[in-house]
Amino acid sequence: SYVVTQPPSVSVAPGQTARLSCGGNNIASKSVHWYQQRPGQAPVLLVYDTTDRPSGIPERFSGSHSGNTATLTISGVKAGDEADYYCQVWDIITDHPGVIFGGGTKLTVL
Amino acid sequence: QVQLVESGGGLVKPGGSLRLSCAASGFSFSDYHMTWIRQAPGKGLEWLSLIFNSGSFVYYADSVKGRFTISRDNAKNLLFLQMNSLTAEDTAVYHCARELMDCSSSTCSGMGVFDYWGQGILVTVSP
Repeated sequence: SYVVTQPPSVSVAPGQTARLSCGGNNIASKSVHWYQQRPGQAPVLLVYDTTDRPSGIPERFSGSHSGNTATLTISGVKAGDEADYYCQVWDIITDHPGVIFGGGTKLTVL
Repeated sequence: QVQLVESGGGLVKPGGSLRLSCAASGFSFSDYHMTWIRQAPGKGLEWLSLIFNSGSFVYYADSVKGRFTISRDNAKNLLFLQMNSLTAEDTAVYHCARELMDCSSSTCSGMGVFDYWGQGILVTVSP
């Protein structure tokens, strides 16, 4: 079945740009979705269909993909962006459709 | 506003059963596919099951197929997850979530992404 891979951690200084990757075989052919999960809270949808943002999500959060990598870019990182970030795709699991999450990346704001 | 509130969690012995509920409000529940996703302590997100808005189609992750059953009551705006044969590996926070729907054509279809999540309910499987 399809596998998506995320680096366990990324660190960035405030005001800088964080780039969080999500790797998968030809992931550029799929719709990739990104969630933010702050400690003790439910996940929040940040980006869907690779590049679209739900209403209320700041433009600082943007998504892209190319080849085998999808990327969530966070511009002007703030202390409040410190959280776990998960990518997600929809694919066939065994013989039926299913949801696949990456293992998550912990973003640390230095 | 959209609200999803889980209930029914708690402590259960290995081999036992539990039924989770998710009460939905603030939207037309019967128009949306719904899902259950869990997170073991200190771990990532794991998708479990999805049910179409009408209840006509259901899908399960291999890890719970045959043990868990998803269902819904559209008249009462409730989503359920019946969990049987529980093991310690099922210890987790269980979230219900709403699937974003694309209604740009004559029929609506799920987009494979989840736009609203409940806060989650803890299930602990332990002797």
